[in-house]
Amino acid sequence: GQQVMQIPQYQHVQEGEDFTTYCNSSTTLSNIQWYKQRPGGHPVFLIQLVKSGEVKKQKRLTFQFGEAKKNSSLHITATQTTDVGTYFCAGKNTGTASKLTFGTGTRLQVTL
Amino acid sequence: KAGVTQTPRYLIKTRGQQVTLSCSPISGHRSVSWYQQTPGQGLQFLFEYFSETQRNKGNFPGRFSGRQFSNSRSEMNVSTLELGDSALYLCASSPRLGGSALHLDNEQFFGPGTRLTVL
Repeated sequence: GQQVMQIPQYQHVQEGEDFTTYCNSSTTLSNIQWYKQRPGGHPVFLIQLVKSGEVKKQKRLTFQFGEAKKNSSLHITATQTTDVGTYFCAGKNTGTASKLTFGTGTRLQVTL
Repeated sequence: KAGVTQTPRYLIKTRGQQVTLSCSPISGHRSVSWYQQTPGQGLQFLFEYFSETQRNKGNFPGRFSGRQFSNSRSEMNVSTLELGDSALYLCASSPRLGGSALHLDNEQFFGPGTRLTVL
């Protein structure tokens, strides 16, 4: 079955440092979504990427979808304490019957 | 618009019992998905319902079941509870069943979850 792995599992940075999480799928994806889950909260949708090689930015966050549509990355520039949480990618294979498979998640801790 | 609501928020059961969790999607959303979240296994897909029909199912035993009503509200049931069923159960709604990659509105809107503890 489809597997979606993320690395690293955990990263601890100082405020102001950059952060990147990588998402790798065992199968080609039709699209990829990213979610953020704050401690004690629920996942919240951040963005969806659809096209091969697509890059999207949201303020300090940059999302990229690989050319082969099997991997993706999220880069945060100059982290802030409000960035703390777990970041999940979620991929869907092609086809109407395909389910959304969540990645293993990367937990980000930011300290002053 | 009100968000996704789940009841109850917390539940404590003992092994062998059964439990029913409820989810009310965002008004107008017809797709409801259920996920199990545990520290060890992450977010695992349970099933997805659309228009009262199960459209997708994850790799969980038959003890896990669900249904969707005509108003799109959904319930999931776990019978013969085991210690390993302790988890946060999340419900997510979407405007439509995800299909075309161009449907940018099939993002999942998650509810706050039900924290189930099995003793």
